[in-house]
Amino acid sequence: EAGVTQFPSHSVIEKGQTVTLRCDPISGHDNLYWYRRVMGKEIKFLLHFVKESKQDESGMPNNRFLAERTGGTYSTLKVQPAELEDSGVYFCASSQDTRGLYGYTFGSGTRLTVV
Amino acid sequence: QKEVEQDPGPLSVPEGAIVSLNCTYSNSAFQYFMWYRQYSRKGPELLMYTYSSGNKEDGRFTAQVDKSSKYISLFIRDSQPSDSATYLCAMSLLYNQGGKLIFGQGTELSVKP
Repeated sequence: EAGVTQFPSHSVIEKGQTVTLRCDPISGHDNLYWYRRVMGKEIKFLLHFVKESKQDESGMPNNRFLAERTGGTYSTLKVQPAELEDSGVYFCASSQDTRGLYGYTFGSGTRLTVV
Repeated sequence: QKEVEQDPGPLSVPEGAIVSLNCTYSNSAFQYFMWYRQYSRKGPELLMYTYSSGNKEDGRFTAQVDKSSKYISLFIRDSQPSDSATYLCAMSLLYNQGGKLIFGQGTELSVKP
């Protein structure tokens, strides 16, 4: 079974530019999550999709972040325009269980550096 | 105040030692507790989960939850160099519809041969 795939693995962009991160969940997993780890801080929840619908987007920092999930398959997270404080590692995870009771499967993350 | 507190370490132990990793939390509504392991440049990997007070054992790993003290622990017996990683506690509300996890900061563990 293929795991959760994220790309790019690394991205370095200038402040003000746009970056789009992509996540391919495990096939058949309706639940898709985005998390972020800023340096020195804990991993924090951004949002949760159930199929193509946003179930919970309470962790999205501001309206510069836009997440989509096309047809309930892969998801993208766009940051526009990027700011320095957006630097960090963005993780995607997926699960079959809506409540995440049996844990998620995480991808390896996208390391974003805004300079 | 953070909802979940975890000592970031780093923690260095000799091979074969017993390792104790801990987290405290402030939200008494948390009912579901997990430990993840994260190797460098990889995503977190679920090690253990539990939703009740008490102990749960899986091989060399034991997870312990004390809801009255809002304290959870992970014990690693006979630690191996391959156990060197960052260990993250995570928790959620059992009936949280979204399965949103709240993570601790993670403890970096190094097991020396």
